[in-house]
This record gives sequence, C-alpha cells and structure tokens, in this order.
Amino acid sequence: DVKVTQSSRYLVKRTGEKVFLECVQDMDHENMFWYRQDPGLGLRLIYFSYDVKMKEKGDIPEGYSVSREKKERFSLILESASTNQTSMYLCASSLRGETAASYEQYFGPGTRLTVT
Amino acid sequence: SQKIEQNSEALNIQEGKTATLTCNYTNYSPAYLQWYRQDPGRGPVFLLLIRENEKEKRKERLKVTFDTTLKQSLFHITASQPADSATYLCAPTGVGSGGSNYKLTFGKGTLLTVNP
Repeated sequence: DVKVTQSSRYLVKRTGEKVFLECVQDMDHENMFWYRQDPGLGLRLIYFSYDVKMKEKGDIPEGYSVSREKKERFSLILESASTNQTSMYLCASSLRGETAASYEQYFGPGTRLTVT
Repeated sequence: SQKIEQNSEALNIQEGKTATLTCNYTNYSPAYLQWYRQDPGRGPVFLLLIRENEKEKRKERLKVTFDTTLKQSLFHITASQPADSATYLCAPTGVGSGGSNYKLTFGKGTLLTVNP
C-alpha cells in the first residue's frame, strides 16, 4: 500500500524559529511536492522536486526552502518562521513517466503548523 | 492568467440523490483532469482521472465528464450517501513542459454535505 508520511501532525513554533517539515514516501516516486492549504485560498504549491537534488519553485516559494538529498525524502524549511506561515502543510508524491498514472498525486496526512 | 473555478463552495443534497459538481477552467489546455476527495484534517485522495479524448469515465457510483470545448468537467455521485460528505477538488493536469508537467493546480473545492 502506497504511503506518504509527514514527521508531525501538529507543530507549534515561535516567530523567528527555524522549522523543518519532513516528508517520506515509500513508493519510489520521482516527483515530490509541498503545498500549504488555507481556508478560502485552497491548496497552493510551494516547491516541488522531480529528482534528487532538483527543485523548482511553485506559486508561493517566498519564505521557504527545500532539500531533497534522497529520493524518498523531501524537506520543507522555514528559515525564520512568521505568523503568516501558520497553515496546514501537505506533502505529496507522484511517478515520473509517460502514462496517466504519473499525474496521480499521493498525499501525506498533513502537518498543522502554528507560529506564535 | 490561468484560473480554475468550482461551481460553489458548498452543496447540500439529500441522501439517495445525485450530486453534481462543476469545474471550469480558463487559459488552460490540459491533457487530463483529475478529481480528488478531501476529508477534514486529512490530505486529498485521488479519485478519478479523465483524458482529453474521453468524454466520460465511471468508477462505481462516480462519473466524470470532460468537455474541452466548454473547458468544463462535471463530477457526479449517484445514490449519494452521508459517507460521501467531503470536499471535492478538481485539478486540470499536464499543462507544463518537462518536470513542470507534473505540477497540479487545484480548484478551491466544493464542500458536499449529504443529509440523511
């Protein structure tokens, strides 16, 4: 059974702290994604990676960075957390190929981050 | 700019009726369109993908249509049940090049409530 796991379900951090959100997938997927989800704004893509050590900015990368040192792991880093980064963070993964199945994304359970 | 609109933020129907959700997109030419289900506090779960050359696709009580001329997809749940209550998200797919082809932009979703 495919699985995407995230390091924490709930996290509370203080303004200015460096925050690491970890995501691990066990499906040998090439693509990995980080989204944030806010009421009224929907799911928005922060960064994605289509290969180890490769990354591309999504729609809202400001204030975030990412790291992908191993195929199965994709980390989201908040260098200096701010209150406007309070949100639900969702990680996802997908295959990289020529078939329609390559576009199906598998999501983790999410991390609800509160920055105070 | 690219835009995705899902017909309403919320839809309430009676158990046993057919729920119809709409997804309209502009300034896209997607090769596929996907639908996901999201329960509160959880990550989205993939339901169906329809190709641009398919008019209709079915999976159990779910049916999706895709009209590339109207730039619209309809998502139907027949014989709806209270357990179908969730937020449903659409995502036009396959619109970039290279690694960007695998990015998804989601609509904001429609919250479906099926009343017993």
